Amino acid sequence: EAQVTQNPRYLITVTGKKLTVTCSQNMNHEYMSWYRQDPGLGLRQIYYSMNVEVTDKGDVPEGYKVSRKEKRNFPLILESPSPNQTSLYFCASSWAGGNTIYFGEGSWLTVV
Amino acid sequence: GESVGLHLPTLSVQEGDNSIINCAYSNSASDYFIWYKQESGKGPQFIIDIRSNMDKRQGQRVTVLLNKTVKHLSLQIAATQPGDSAVYFCAENENSGGGADGLTFGKGTHLIIQP
Repeated sequence: EAQVTQNPRYLITVTGKKLTVTCSQNMNHEYMSWYRQDPGLGLRQIYYSMNVEVTDKGDVPEGYKVSRKEKRNFPLILESPSPNQTSLYFCASSWAGGNTIYFGEGSWLTVV
Repeated sequence: GESVGLHLPTLSVQEGDNSIINCAYSNSASDYFIWYKQESGKGPQFIIDIRSNMDKRQGQRVTVLLNKTVKHLSLQIAATQPGDSAVYFCAENENSGGGADGLTFGKGTHLIIQP
């Protein structure tokens, strides 16, 4: 089954404690992306990657890092999380040049 | 239309009625549009898409209409069912050559189905 899998799905953490949200897709997609979804603001892109070792900033990259060492994985790293990073995060993937992206189930992150 | 405030616009319809969800887009250069459905606790799912060289496209129970003159997109759901309850949002692609990195998402409309 074609999937985008994120982990963890739910996490409560403390300010400053580094965390990683993993994302994996089994569709051999070149493009992967991270979004955050906040009330009234919709989906905002954090970072995206067009292929292995190619990453670019999205609209709201501050406070986040990503890496793309393998085609299937695209982890989102919060080196020093802050409360304003409390949000619902989505990983997504698609074919290069494709318009339809496939989303993961989401990761609820709370930073206290 | 899409939300500009803290609360999503809400559309409440009776089960069995038709629903029309609207979206205004801003970029006249956008040439590809998508509707997504997001159920509670889940990620957005693709519903239907349309290219700028079309003004109407139909799927199973859904129709998307595109009016490029006024930069307006709508999603029509026929015979609305309880399972249609979700947040619906549109996306436009600013990359004429395609590529999901050019997608911009609207803020969404919450569709509520009343029995």
